[in-house]
Amino acid sequence: DTGVSQDPRHKITKRGQNVTFRCDPISEHNRLYWYRQTLGQGPEFLTYFQNEAQLEKSRLLSDRFSAERPKGSFSTLEIQRTEQGDSAMYLCASSRLQETQYFGPGTRLLVL
Amino acid sequence: QQQVKQSPQSLIVQKGGISIINCAYENTAFDYFPWYQQFPGKGPALLIAIRPDVSEKKEGRFTISFNKSAKQFSLHIMDSQPGDSATYFCAASLGDKIIFGKGTRLHILP
Repeated sequence: DTGVSQDPRHKITKRGQNVTFRCDPISEHNRLYWYRQTLGQGPEFLTYFQNEAQLEKSRLLSDRFSAERPKGSFSTLEIQRTEQGDSAMYLCASSRLQETQYFGPGTRLLVL
Repeated sequence: QQQVKQSPQSLIVQKGGISIINCAYENTAFDYFPWYQQFPGKGPALLIAIRPDVSEKKEGRFTISFNKSAKQFSLHIMDSQPGDSATYFCAASLGDKIIFGKGTRLHILP
């Protein structure tokens, strides 16, 4: 257990529904990252925050995806109008400034 | 182009043997090369990492060999144990973003 927690661990939804995932980082970490991992692939960077500021977003993050970290602590990742191609493991990681990233257990999303 | 190529895709090693996983990168601006270990249902966990000014780093049974001129690096697991069975990802970091390889599924035979 790295100290990064994610909720829920599993989510099954129907195509077209909205889903929201939560990540609680290690408390003293000011950086928080979101990655997506599909079966048989390595994690792919989606976006990251330093405190409450979202500093970079990948081209993978379509307009249907939005991430927030309102108070610089926990973060949420919302997917609107889910598609079957959104089925993946969504991983959160946190770190101190430019130090080792510690990953949470992930949220596995299945879109039917 | 920011890309990390990893091989083999899967690897079977006898208990006590040496497991070797290879990676190659393209972007010479990468400044940090971590290896992550991932068990089913878990997030990746940092195993060992190296910076490009060092040619080798050893931590217990795990060694990274780094060849800057060839833009290649590898993970060696000595005395491989069944508990080492997992998926291993090499990665390269440019600033705050980690670029992962596609992973190697390692199975250690008891």
